[in-house]
Amino acid sequence: RKEVEQDPGPFNVPEGATVAFNCTYSNSASQSFFWYRQDCRKEPKLLMSVYSSGNEDGRFTAQLNRASQYISLLIRDSKLSDSATYLCVVNMFSISPSKVKTSYDKVIFGPGTSLSVIP
Amino acid sequence: NAGVTQTPKFQVLKTGQSMTLQCAQDMNHEYMSWYRQDPGMGLRLIHYSVGAGITDQGEVPNGYNVSRSTTEDFPLRLLSAAPSQTSVYFCASSNPWTSGSYEQYFGPGTRLTVT
Repeated sequence: RKEVEQDPGPFNVPEGATVAFNCTYSNSASQSFFWYRQDCRKEPKLLMSVYSSGNEDGRFTAQLNRASQYISLLIRDSKLSDSATYLCVVNMFSISPSKVKTSYDKVIFGPGTSLSVIP
Repeated sequence: NAGVTQTPKFQVLKTGQSMTLQCAQDMNHEYMSWYRQDPGMGLRLIHYSVGAGITDQGEVPNGYNVSRSTTEDFPLRLLSAAPSQTSVYFCASSNPWTSGSYEQYFGPGTRLTVT
């Protein structure tokens, strides 16, 4: 089983639609969670962090359910410019009071879900 | 502040050739990593480093070597290129321990074709 899995997509939605992406992770030791956006042939860029309490940034809402090991991203009022691939990211960094680094820290990306917003 | 830079942007190799993909960051980030991205596969972690002198293998390390002699540089070496290594390679860095930020900053990528 892959460490991070996402809806396979692609999602093709009309402008103004609401679309939701789902992501699951397998390692319960995972500590922090993010959504990245990647435009065609470009590098990924951070979209938003994901917290258990949920967080909202304009039309975007992210939610984390640690018990179910599930992350979601909701996009409201979709715009043409939202067309991109959305990557779910899970961090496993060991943070101790002394900030001792180990060789087991890593960042795992999901395979991504493609979104096309259609006029 | 250039962020994360990668060279070259494009490269064509013949099977069996070796080469080094360069990655440098000027943000004093401790964590650096290399990913490859293939259609439908997402980003797969090749190698990563939590600081100078410390490296470890990711999900797909075979055929690649890395070293981290300085904080700034994290080169990726292809020992004997194979067509299966045709991909887009991204280098990324972050500074989770010092800044408390886990945001990954990516370079623009290197598009490698092995014939």
